[in-house]
Amino acid sequence: DAGVTQSPTHLIKTRGQQVTLRCSPKSGHDTVSWYQQALGQGPQFIFQYYEEEERQRGNFPDRFSGHQFPNYSSELNVNALLLGDSALYLCASSLGLPRTEAFFGQGTRLTVV
Amino acid sequence: KQEVTQIPAALSVPEGENLVLNCSFTDSAIYNLQWFRQDPGKGLTSLLLIQSSQREQTSGRLNASLDKSSGRSTLYIAASQPGDSATYLCAVSYGNQFYFGTGTSLTVIP
Repeated sequence: DAGVTQSPTHLIKTRGQQVTLRCSPKSGHDTVSWYQQALGQGPQFIFQYYEEEERQRGNFPDRFSGHQFPNYSSELNVNALLLGDSALYLCASSLGLPRTEAFFGQGTRLTVV
Repeated sequence: KQEVTQIPAALSVPEGENLVLNCSFTDSAIYNLQWFRQDPGKGLTSLLLIQSSQREQTSGRLNASLDKSSGRSTLYIAASQPGDSATYLCAVSYGNQFYFGTGTSLTVIP
């Protein structure tokens, strides 16, 4: 079992550009959540996808959008990048309802210059 | 607003010592609580999951307890090893999302 895989591992973008991050959930999992972790902070919830729909969203602007595909993989898109978007972006997968265990990927380190 | 607090922020102990990490949360209506380990610049590794109906969970040298009424959880690490050095994060679920503390940075000195 490959677990949760994220790509790319590192990314450098210029302010104002757009970026797409990708996540493949753990085998058998159907729910994908995205988190942003700034340096020295705990992860902050961005949104969650289930059955290809955004099920819940955290306090992030519309510049952050996502998608879930029929194979349960997911993308996180960020438009009009700001310096403050520099962070570790984490993907978590779980099976179905909220009481199940969540597994995280290794993250994508995004640096905006 | 749900808040999760972890104390201490940093901890340094000699190898072999038993230690306790603390997590507190403001809203006791949780679904579950999960402890994670994070190595520098890496993702999160799940250590233990405690459902809201449970009081504790054990895995090897790790034991996590949950007291919902007081809004507290502890992670007990027995016989610490240098390989345990990492940041430990407590995450509380109230439904579809986790609320995280800022973590406890643990250093185990050989």
